[in-house]
Amino acid sequence: DAMVIQNPRYQVTQFGKPVTLSCSQTLNHNVMYWYQQKSSQAPKLLFHYYDKDFNNEADTPDNFQSRRPNTSFCFLDIRSPGLGDAAMYLCATSKVAELAKNIQYFGAGTRLSVL
Amino acid sequence: LAKTTQPISMDSYEGQEVNITCSHNNIATNDYITWYQQFPSQGPRFIIQGYKTKVTNEVASLFIPADRKSSTLSLPRVSLSDTAVYYCLVGDGAAGNKLTFGGGTRVLVKP
Repeated sequence: DAMVIQNPRYQVTQFGKPVTLSCSQTLNHNVMYWYQQKSSQAPKLLFHYYDKDFNNEADTPDNFQSRRPNTSFCFLDIRSPGLGDAAMYLCATSKVAELAKNIQYFGAGTRLSVL
Repeated sequence: LAKTTQPISMDSYEGQEVNITCSHNNIATNDYITWYQQFPSQGPRFIIQGYKTKVTNEVASLFIPADRKSSTLSLPRVSLSDTAVYYCLVGDGAAGNKLTFGGGTRVLVKP
C-alpha cells in the first residue's frame, strides 16, 4: 500500500547530541510536512516543502533543520536536542489537488526522548 | 486562518451517535472544513472534509449550515475503537495557509 513511513518509531538521544529523523513516502506527493506534537497537545507545524521549495514557520527554532533530497524522502535534523524537544514528530504529505481541502496523509510518527 | 473552537472532551457509550460541533466564526470564502482523527501514538488520519451543506462517507457525516460559521461531525453508532482525539481544521491550504490544529476534542467511548 502507498503510505508515509517514519523511521525509527522511537528514538532516544542525549542532551545536545544531534539526531536525524527520517520520512519516506510512496504516494509521490509534492508537499511534505514536519510537525512536532508534545504530550496532550495538538500537532504544531515546523516547516514544509513544496517540491524542493523549503518553507519554514516563523517560530520554528534554528535548532531544527530539514532536508529533502528527492520526492520520496525528507529528513528532520535536530542539531542540539534539549529536554524540551522531547516529543512526537510527525511527517505528512499532500498532493497539490487536495491542498485547498487541507487533506494530508500522516505517518505514524517518531517519538523522541532526550536524556 | 480561521480560528476554531471545539469542546475539550466528550463521553459516549457504544452504539450511540456522537456529534462534535466546531465553531469557526471568521471562516473565509475559500476555506474548507476538514476533520482528522488521532489515536494515541499514531499520526492524525483524515476523516472527512466539506465546503457547505452535508457530506457523508463510510466513516462519518459532516453538517455545515448555510452561514458556514460552524460545522458538526457526526459519528454514527460509535464503538470502543472510536475513542480518539478529533480535530476540526478550517483553511485554504492552496493559498499558502498551513494546517493549524486547534485543541481537538477527546472522545471517550465507554462499554
